Order: sequence, then C-alpha cells, then structure tokens
Amino acid sequence: TQTVSQSDAHVTVFEGDSVELRCNYSYGGSIYLSWYIQHHGHGLQFLLKYYSGNPVVQGVNGFEAEFSKSDSSFHLRKASVHWSDSAVYFCAVSATSGSWQLIFGSGTQLTVMP
Amino acid sequence: AQTIHQWPVAEIKAVGSPLSLGCTIKGKSSPNLYWYWQATGGTLQQLFYSITVGQVESVVQLNLSASRPKDDQFILSTEKLLLSHSGFYLCAWSRKIPNTEVFFGKGTRLTVV
Repeated sequence: TQTVSQSDAHVTVFEGDSVELRCNYSYGGSIYLSWYIQHHGHGLQFLLKYYSGNPVVQGVNGFEAEFSKSDSSFHLRKASVHWSDSAVYFCAVSATSGSWQLIFGSGTQLTVMP
Repeated sequence: AQTIHQWPVAEIKAVGSPLSLGCTIKGKSSPNLYWYWQATGGTLQQLFYSITVGQVESVVQLNLSASRPKDDQFILSTEKLLLSHSGFYLCAWSRKIPNTEVFFGKGTRLTVV
C-alpha cells in the first residue's frame, strides 16, 4: 500500500525567503512522484514530477524537488518565494506498474507574508 | 490546447435529493478521465477513473456512481445525497501514459443541507 505524508499542515514565510515543503512516501516498488498546487477555491495545477534519473527536478515558477530513496522523501523547494506562491501544495504518488490511481498527501498550506 | 469544463460551478442540495455533476474535455481524444473528491480543507480522494467510453472503475465507495457516455464527457451522480457528500468535486484528465501529469478542472462546490 502506498502512502504519502506531508508533516507540515501550515508553513508561513516572508516574501523573498526560501522554503522547503516536506513529503515522505511509503511504497515498496518503483514509484512516480509529483507535486501539485491549489489556489483557494480552484482546481490543482501540476508543478513537477520525478520518475527516474536526476533526483533534482525543476518545475514551473522556480520550484524544484529532490528525490531521496534512502529517506523516502520528495521535498519541494523554492529559493525566493513571492506572495502569489501562497496556496496549498499537494504531494502525490502512484505506482509505476500501470496504475491509474494517484494518491495525494494531506497538503501543506503555504502562506507568504509581505 | 486542451480545455476541461466542469458544471455546475456550485450546488446547494437537500439531503436525499439526486445529483448530477458533469465534465467535458475538449482538444484531446481518448483521454483517461478521473473524479476526485475533496472535503473542506482536506486531501483529495480519487473516486473513479475511466480509460475508455462506457467503462468506469470505482476506487472508493461513497454511494456515488460515474458514467462516461461519450469520449469527452464524464458524469458523476447519485440518486440520494448524504450530508457526507458535501465538498469539492474535481474532474481531471490525463494522457494514456502511466504516471503522467493530471490536468484538473476548476471544480464544483457541493453543499448538502
């Protein structure tokens, strides 16, 4: 059974700060990891994904994430946040064996203060 | 460019009443289609997925049903709403490639009273 854990329900930073949103997963086989962003009252938008290769993947709007097999993690980072980055961020996992099911974490609300 | 349209934007319905939510994808042939449910302030739970017209797979049982009457249309429905059905319903699509990004609609806010 795959699980996704986002340990921080809320993260508050100031504009220009760096931020790391944490995601840990549990799965025994090969998996596919991704991050999505949800602005209040809207649907989700894809940020980035990891399947294989370079463990650091780049996404839109300056976001990047690093996969660590030893830590079972896929943390999302941004070097300098903007107020418009305030949103809920979801980590997601699916098995690479042809599963069409995407399992989401509980989400992290990022608030960027001016 | 592909577009995904969900209707209605919001609904307020009485307990025990029927429900029908819809979703249309334009600009993409034979997409995979998905329904997700999100409780207020909560995570997303995949409800159904469909790989082809007429075929729908259920992921969780929430006294809801789904149908795919056309290649570009996905319908979520129930004959009798429960209070627990309240939440945000998201339709989504993806290409027929395992582990690819999923594209979401803007969602329907359902309040059951």
